[in-house]
Amino acid sequence: QLQLQESGPGLVKPSQTLFLTCTVSGGSISSSTYHWGWIRQPPGKGLEWIGSMYYSGSTYYNPSLKSRVTISADMSKNQFSLKVSSVTAADTAVYYCARRLSSSSSVDYWGQGTLVTVSS
Amino acid sequence: QSALTQPASVSGSPGQSITISCTGTSSDVGIYNYVSWYQQHPGKVPKLIIYDVSKRPSGVSNRFSGSKSGNTASLTISGLQAEDEADYYCNSYTDSSTWVFGGGTKLTVL
Repeated sequence: QLQLQESGPGLVKPSQTLFLTCTVSGGSISSSTYHWGWIRQPPGKGLEWIGSMYYSGSTYYNPSLKSRVTISADMSKNQFSLKVSSVTAADTAVYYCARRLSSSSSVDYWGQGTLVTVSS
Repeated sequence: QSALTQPASVSGSPGQSITISCTGTSSDVGIYNYVSWYQQHPGKVPKLIIYDVSKRPSGVSNRFSGSKSGNTASLTISGLQAEDEADYYCNSYTDSSTWVFGGGTKLTVL
């Protein structure tokens, strides 16, 4: 059974960099069948697509976040990561990592989500 | 990219059918059959209920169905049940090779 687990600091200071890791078990991020990505949800608000990556190294980002976001992978650890720079209170959210079937709109597996609060 | 447009709330009585719309543009919903829907109960992880406009994942009730016409996708829930009360989000691929969510719709079962 595929499992995704987010990890990282729950509190980040304004202007600093948020860094989260998603550890995948029960499946390989090196598979050509899937894309791996990040989605966030501010408290009480809707879902926002942050970006995703493919095993080939291709990355795709939300245009509104593109200048501050980097998604990368460590294939040897079967992990992929999210970096958001120059964070503000508006970046406070539950961050989910997720898997999407390539050539489909199916985001079928999600991590449990991790709350990141931006505050001094 | 702008969020897809969904009604903020819809409601229905048990046994009835409701439809939630998701309006995009000719740059996303209108040109791709890559629209999915997610159900999210309070404090829970979103769950995929419809993908590629009208396909249902294994294990999802056939009371959930999806369709698309022009720039608008729709999710229909028939035979409403109390457990259907949740937030629903649509998601579409765009011509910029990105994805965009709708603002979400709160379904209340009266």
